[in-house]
Amino acid sequence: KAGVTQTPRYLIKTRGQQVTLSCSPISGHRSVSWYQQTPGQGLQFLFEYFSETQRNKGNFPGRFSGRQFSNSRSEMNVSTLELGDSALYLCASSLSGSGWGYNEQFFGPGTRLTVL
Amino acid sequence: GESVGLHLPTLSVQEGDNSIINCAYSNSASDYFIWYKQESGKGPQFIIDIRSNMDKRQGQRVTVLLNKTVKHLSLQIAATQPGDSAVYFCAENIGKAGGGNKLTFGTGTQLKVEL
Repeated sequence: KAGVTQTPRYLIKTRGQQVTLSCSPISGHRSVSWYQQTPGQGLQFLFEYFSETQRNKGNFPGRFSGRQFSNSRSEMNVSTLELGDSALYLCASSLSGSGWGYNEQFFGPGTRLTVL
Repeated sequence: GESVGLHLPTLSVQEGDNSIINCAYSNSASDYFIWYKQESGKGPQFIIDIRSNMDKRQGQRVTVLLNKTVKHLSLQIAATQPGDSAVYFCAENIGKAGGGNKLTFGTGTQLKVEL
């Protein structure tokens, strides 16, 4: 079974631009979560999508948004890029039904975004 | 993915020794705790998890201990091998109706295994 895939793997943008990152979950997984990883702040939760709806959200500004398609693939968008948005963006998928509690997440390799 | 660099605490152990990695978590309402391993160039990889109603869980060569009184989590790796060299993160999840994941990660510990 193929793992979580993320595209592109590397991206360079300039301040003020916007960027869209893509994540394809493991087949059959319906939940997709996004995380930002930086040396200063570590791994931080951005948001989670399930059945095309945002189910959980972290503490990031509105410039960070996402969506999920009917095939469970997800995209995240960052508008008006700032230097501090340079980070590794990780996507994770899980089976995640509607029951209470945590469902094991499987991470992709990440997209390295550099903002100049 | 790449490991978080620069200012991580580092644990150096000799091959064959046992390793203990510690983590303090923040929220007493967290119901699941997970340990992840992140190798250079890869995303985090699940190692073991534990529910808040347990205090110990064992896997293959790994044991997680949970002390809710002091909000402390530890990962023990038996007979540490060179392939165990990586950054290790603890994470906590607060469950809610409707399910879902919202992990809060610790800062990570770099484990270095010396031959």
